[in-house]
Amino acid sequence: DAKTTQPPSMDCAEGRAANLPCNHSTISGNEYVYWYRQIHSQGPQYIIHGLKNNETNEMASLIITEDRKSSTLILPHATLRDTAVYYCIVRVRGGLLSGTYKYIFGTGTRLKVLA
Amino acid sequence: EAGVAQSPRYKIIEKRQSVAFWCNPISGHATLYWYQQILGQGPKLLIQFQNNGVVDDSQLPKDRFSAERLKGVDSTLKIQPAKLEDSAVYLCASSSLTEAFFGQGTRLTVV
Repeated sequence: DAKTTQPPSMDCAEGRAANLPCNHSTISGNEYVYWYRQIHSQGPQYIIHGLKNNETNEMASLIITEDRKSSTLILPHATLRDTAVYYCIVRVRGGLLSGTYKYIFGTGTRLKVLA
Repeated sequence: EAGVAQSPRYKIIEKRQSVAFWCNPISGHATLYWYQQILGQGPKLLIQFQNNGVVDDSQLPKDRFSAERLKGVDSTLKIQPAKLEDSAVYLCASSSLTEAFFGQGTRLTVV
């Protein structure tokens, strides 16, 4: 089962920052938070990931609370092409083998960027 | 770097027929995943391979679904016989140490 909960949908005005929240209250100390997005008819696309510290790359910023029970993905200047479903994922250990991981998706947040 | 390749892109079959999907992961990626994504839902993990061994197949309906990765590279997912509820997008992914990369998926319609 997914270890994350997200609002089902959000709207954001073009050019404004989009802040997508995620709760992961049962996350373990060594589990990473990942964000992916899925544009219609495509496979999920990696955005960013983090463990404790805030992270930033060319696509987005990830803010993780100090207790690690929630995080926020920030798209600083949303464009129409950012309209997609955004998934917050806790990467967990995979099966019996150490060193492997699995990505368990929840239902995601459908972000609509408005012109 | 070439991405994860999947084929076919689309497939329409009648119920009770069989179907197979093919995936070629990114070169050098030992871990390969198959996901099922029903319309309006997030992807659901069906099976995970590490090289040619199965790591997790707890969500795979083994009475009708099978998957293999014989040489630890390409993988096939088969459904036999298909049911109407198998209509979905089947996504293949492979992972490096830090992230998973997804293919475009195969959209299966069972009529």
